[in-house]
Amino acid sequence: DQQVKQNSPSLSVQEGRISILNCDYTNSMFDYFLWYKKYPAEGPTFLISISSIKDKNEDGRFTVFLNKSAKHLSLHIVPSQPGDSAVYFCAASGAFNAGGTSYGKLTFGQGTILTVHP
Amino acid sequence: DGGITQSPKYLFRKEGQNVTLSCEQNLNHDAMYWYRQDPGQGLRLIYYSQIVNDFQKGDIAEGYSVSREKKESFPLTVTSAQKNPTAFYLCASSNPGLARNIQYFGAGTRLSVL
Repeated sequence: DQQVKQNSPSLSVQEGRISILNCDYTNSMFDYFLWYKKYPAEGPTFLISISSIKDKNEDGRFTVFLNKSAKHLSLHIVPSQPGDSAVYFCAASGAFNAGGTSYGKLTFGQGTILTVHP
Repeated sequence: DGGITQSPKYLFRKEGQNVTLSCEQNLNHDAMYWYRQDPGQGLRLIYYSQIVNDFQKGDIAEGYSVSREKKESFPLTVTSAQKNPTAFYLCASSNPGLARNIQYFGAGTRLSVL
C-alpha cells in the first residue's frame, strides 16, 4: 500500500527553466510534508517542508505547493541549475500512531530523478 | 561538526553471517531511525527508537535487530534470517519536538552478499 507516490521516475529540464516535481498521497491524516534531495551513494538532505495549514512555502529557488483537497504537492525549482541534478524524494508524516502520539515517522515516495542539462 | 556517522561505507556479508552496521550521532537527537533503499524504490523504515532503551519495529523489520543503549548510538544487525540483504542502508535522527519531523541522514552503508 503506497501511501506516498511519485509517479514520474525521471524528469529532464534545460538549465534556467523551471523544474516541477510532483507527489500524491492517500492518507488524509498526513499533516506535514517534506522534500529531500539525494546524490548517489550519499544520504538524503532536507530541502524544504510545508505544514498542512499552509498551501505554499518558499525558500530561495525552491517552492513547495500543497493542494489538500487533491492530496497533491509539488516542488518547483526556478531557475534550474545543473547542480540540482539528483533524486528528489517527497515524504509525509502525521501526528498519529497506534499509541496516539507523534514519533516523527516519515513515509517516503519512490523518488524522481531530476537531470538538468546545461 | 555535528552530524550522523555511518560505518562502514561498504560491507560484504557471507551466507549465514550476521553483520552489524554502525550509526552514531552527535546532534543530541532523541529519535533515531534505520531505513533501507532498493533501486527504484523509496526509503522503507526498518526500526526506529524514540528514546534510549526503547525501539519499535518499522515496516520491514523481519531479519533485522537493533539496540539503543546510548542516546548517540543505534546499531543495526542484519541477521542470517534476512534473505535479501543487498541494499543501501540509511540511518537518520530527529528531534520531533523541536523541528517537526525533519530527519537528518548519514551517508549510508552499502551492503552486498558474497
